[in-house]
Amino acid sequence: GIQVEQSPPDLILQEGANSTLRCNFSDSVNNLQWFHQNPWGQLINLFYIPSGTKQNGRLSATTVATERYSLLYISSSQTTDSGVYFCAVSNQAGTALIFGKGTTLSVSS
Amino acid sequence: IAGITQAPTSQILAAGRRMTLRCTQDMRHNAMYWYRQDLGLGLRLIHYSNTAGTTGKGEVPDGYSVSRANTDDFPLTLASAVPSQTSVYFCASSASAGNTEAFFGQGTRLTVV
Repeated sequence: GIQVEQSPPDLILQEGANSTLRCNFSDSVNNLQWFHQNPWGQLINLFYIPSGTKQNGRLSATTVATERYSLLYISSSQTTDSGVYFCAVSNQAGTALIFGKGTTLSVSS
Repeated sequence: IAGITQAPTSQILAAGRRMTLRCTQDMRHNAMYWYRQDLGLGLRLIHYSNTAGTTGKGEVPDGYSVSRANTDDFPLTLASAVPSQTSVYFCASSASAGNTEAFFGQGTRLTVV
């Protein structure tokens, strides 16, 4: 099945710093989503982005489908950005999202 | 708009007992899913349903069963719970299987002792 690798596994930032999270996948995809799991365990939808670029406030994401990767950019990070960021994909044969193991982000003030 | 509702929020269960985790969505989505989340392993698919009346097995289906009698509900049953089923369980739904945006419930934290 399709493989999803996220990097880095852990990231520690000072408030105000920028960061880039990466997601590599092993097959063509027809669905790619980024999620933020907050410290209370909720999975928050950030982006539905099988291709192209999207922006939402301080967050933006780019998926280069032909090269099989996606990037999540966080600018001017805040302590509320802390948590785990997951990338999840589905390919043509897939019936559900396959998740990467996540990037744990800690933002300190 | 409620979205996806899971119940209970948390549960402590004796090993060997039967347990049903409930999941209801009000978005009229055709596809629904159950995942479990374990430390260091991310989220893994247990079972899925592409439409009412159909179900399929995911990556880790053993020890679990599901049913999809209608569009809105997708219960997950542990027939005889074991400690290795201690986990956080997430239900999700999407308009169609695989290629549309999926939305997740708040999760059920299950501890089997």
